[in-house]
Amino acid sequence: EDKVVQSPLSLVVHEGDTVTLNCSYEVTNFRSLLWYKQEKKAPTFLFMLTSSGIEKKSGRLSSILDKKELFSILNITATQTGDSAIYLCALLNYGGSQGNLIFGKGTKLSVKP
Amino acid sequence: EAQVTQNPRYLITVTGKKLTVTCSQNMNHEYMSWYRQDPGLGLRQIYYSMNVEVTDKGDVPEGYKVSRKEKRNFPLILESPSPNQTSLYFCASRGQAYGYTFGSGTRLTVV
Repeated sequence: EDKVVQSPLSLVVHEGDTVTLNCSYEVTNFRSLLWYKQEKKAPTFLFMLTSSGIEKKSGRLSSILDKKELFSILNITATQTGDSAIYLCALLNYGGSQGNLIFGKGTKLSVKP
Repeated sequence: EAQVTQNPRYLITVTGKKLTVTCSQNMNHEYMSWYRQDPGLGLRQIYYSMNVEVTDKGDVPEGYKVSRKEKRNFPLILESPSPNQTSLYFCASRGQAYGYTFGSGTRLTVV
């Protein structure tokens, strides 16, 4: 059964800290791994990772995928209070649903001033 | 602006009273999906649609129906809502390059 496991489930840091969020997965037919940020309502897209070892960056956020060890990390440097959110990792597979997103339970990040 | 629009944003209803949550996207996406989000359980797929008139069950379809008569619309129907369907619901559509785009969510309470 395809699944996504995120760790930690919650994390409290202070502004300026660097955090690393983890996502491990098991999948039959891997297509892509996606990261989302969810603040008050709808998840918003951060990154889509398809190839191993290629870092995606957007400002203070970066992510990388290891398809051999079946995990991805999301790094946030110099955290700000506005980074407080739930970060979701999701797997896009080639299974019968032709593109079903399988979500992890998320990591709740709280950044204190 | 490219978006997925859900309505209503909030809904309180009574057990057994049929309701429909609408979802519309303006990106000409073929793939659309409904999720529910519950504390400790994350986002779980209810139904999805790969194109007009093509729908299939996700992980938690019991108690829900969907239809896809037009490409842009994908309503979620609860024929006889029950309290265990109290949840936060998201509609999403999928493009090729950027994964899913989510609607703003519908907070449903069934009393």
